[in-house]
Amino acid sequence: SAVISQKPSRDICQRGTSLTIQCQVDSQVTMMFWYRQQPGQSLTLIATANQGSEATYESGFVIDKFPISRPNLTFSTLTVSNMSPEDSSIYLCSVNFRQQLNTEAFFGQGTRLTVV
Amino acid sequence: KQEVTQIPAALSVPEGENLVLNCSFTDSAIYNLQWFRQDPGKGLTSLLLIQSSQREQTSGRLNASLDKSSGRSTLYIAASQPGDSATYLCAVKNTGFQKLVFGTGTRLLVSP
Repeated sequence: SAVISQKPSRDICQRGTSLTIQCQVDSQVTMMFWYRQQPGQSLTLIATANQGSEATYESGFVIDKFPISRPNLTFSTLTVSNMSPEDSSIYLCSVNFRQQLNTEAFFGQGTRLTVV
Repeated sequence: KQEVTQIPAALSVPEGENLVLNCSFTDSAIYNLQWFRQDPGKGLTSLLLIQSSQREQTSGRLNASLDKSSGRSTLYIAASQPGDSATYLCAVKNTGFQKLVFGTGTRLLVSP
């Protein structure tokens, strides 16, 4: 498997500010996924990011709150906007290295966000 | 809507024991099921991927089984070690979708 790097690994932010999380993959991938893991809970998909098109958001997540960029096939960013303490979570990016639907998913090391 | 459940939520065992983690899902129309390990505050490490047509997969001391018709998977860990202490997550990919639906995890503690 290739390497998936997320930055920052953790951050403590003031409420009302925004944080942009970066995800870099060392090989080209068609789809990148952003997940959220709230404290003590499992992972929930925020959105799917395709290169050259707008991200597709899951129910309960909106572009104004979680804008996503996908400028090329190896990079994506997720911004958490106008943060509140409820946004404190681990945010993870995920990729599949082949386009087939039955392939293995790989994850970055996550970004641990605390909003105070 | 797919729902994934993991039992038990937490498990504590002495080193050397063999153990079984359980995962159940409500919709059997899946492409695959994947088991992950997550260390505290960290990302996910893929352990095993089972395709919907397969019954089991093995990697070292780990063996995962899949019974798609009954909506169940088990992860068997042989001769557990303190380094196995982590949260174990199962996730399924439904037919026609790329996203994973995750279970709530089993937090494993292996004591020396």
